[in-house]
Amino acid sequence: AQSVTQLGSHVSVSEGALVLLRCNYSSSVPPYLFWYVQYPNQGLQLLLKYTSAATLVKGINGFEAEFKKSETSFHLTKPSAHMSDAAEYFCAVSDQPGNTGKLIFGQGTTLQVKP
Amino acid sequence: SAVISQKPSRDICQRGTSLTIQCQVDSQVTMMFWYRQQPGQSLTLIATANQGSEATYESGFVIDKFPISRPNLTFSTLTVSNMSPEDSSIYLCSVVRDTEAFFGQGTRLTVV
Repeated sequence: AQSVTQLGSHVSVSEGALVLLRCNYSSSVPPYLFWYVQYPNQGLQLLLKYTSAATLVKGINGFEAEFKKSETSFHLTKPSAHMSDAAEYFCAVSDQPGNTGKLIFGQGTTLQVKP
Repeated sequence: SAVISQKPSRDICQRGTSLTIQCQVDSQVTMMFWYRQQPGQSLTLIATANQGSEATYESGFVIDKFPISRPNLTFSTLTVSNMSPEDSSIYLCSVVRDTEAFFGQGTRLTVV
């Protein structure tokens, strides 16, 4: 069975500092992996996705993530945090390439950006 | 991309009643998905809705509690039946385009 673990329910960084949000997954087949962001009182927006192409994936708003099969990880990074990055971030996995609407989500990480 | 409209955006309901949530997509899709996000929690898939067949429910969710309709390829409804305060959540509709799942803005339900 698939599962996703996000380490750290809350992460706090200073503006301009590196953002690192951790995600580990378990899947019996090569997974598709996703990072979503949810701003307060809004729906989910896709930041980036890994679908078995390049292992380093670049997304919107300066975010990127690296798929590491040996570590079963898909950590999200951004070199320099901005105040507008404060939001809830969800890592998700699908083991069904033909049905990526069926997602397993991690518990979420709240990112706080301090001025 | 996909434009998904959900109605209502929020509601406050009495326990024991039912609420039907509507989801409209801007173009035809084979599958539509319904998720629940309980307060302070992550998203959990309730069911997959296919046009012309019964919805497929995930473990822990049953049709009597969450009946789903899918009358055509752009529309679906989710009903939350016989509500209790534990049903207070955000309910989200989702569709997939090119391996990317798009989500509606959600329906914030409070049961009192």
